[in-house]
Amino acid sequence: DAGVIQSPRHEVTEMGQEVTLRCKPISGHDYLFWYRQTMMRGLELLIYFNNNVPIDDSGMPEDRFSAKMPNASFSTLKIQPSEPRDSAVYFCASSSGTGGYEKLFFGSGTQLSVL
Amino acid sequence: SQKIEQNSEALNIQEGKTATLTCNYTNYSPAYLQWYRQDPGRGPVFLLLIRENEKEKRKERLKVTFDTTLKQSLFHITASQPADSATYLCALDDGGGADGLTFGKGTHLIIQP
Repeated sequence: DAGVIQSPRHEVTEMGQEVTLRCKPISGHDYLFWYRQTMMRGLELLIYFNNNVPIDDSGMPEDRFSAKMPNASFSTLKIQPSEPRDSAVYFCASSSGTGGYEKLFFGSGTQLSVL
Repeated sequence: SQKIEQNSEALNIQEGKTATLTCNYTNYSPAYLQWYRQDPGRGPVFLLLIRENEKEKRKERLKVTFDTTLKQSLFHITASQPADSATYLCALDDGGGADGLTFGKGTHLIIQP
């Protein structure tokens, strides 16, 4: 298995532009998580899906952020409009379960820079 | 408020010695605690999971302890090697069984030859 695949690897954009991050989870995993990592705040859970349905989006910072999972093999995280404070590394992870008893498999992340 | 604390200062250890990393938490009642390794430019990689009713878990040169009374987990790497240099993150659930994992900010470990 190729693992969790994220694209793009790096994204540089200007403030106000729309940004779309993509994730392909490991086949057979029912759970998909989006995390954001910064030096100040560490890894923060933004949203997670179970069987393509959003379960908890309480970590999404504001309405500018949205996430979708149209099928079991694809998810997107969209920021519109983007702001400099959104600059961070965004990780997608998948697992067979949640509740802490299943390990997470992370992608390599998308380094987002908003100028 | 809920908090997970790991040493923010880098930990320098001489090769061959045992490295011990600490994870303390407050206002959580985790049923599980996990440890991950993260290398620069990469996503975290799972290392070990320990349950609340387990005191200790081992895997090769790694050992994790979990003390729910002290609200603390210790992560040990014995016979440390320069290749063990990385950032180590602890993560826990909130015992509710339905939430994603919450991560500490990690401790940067440097093994000096």
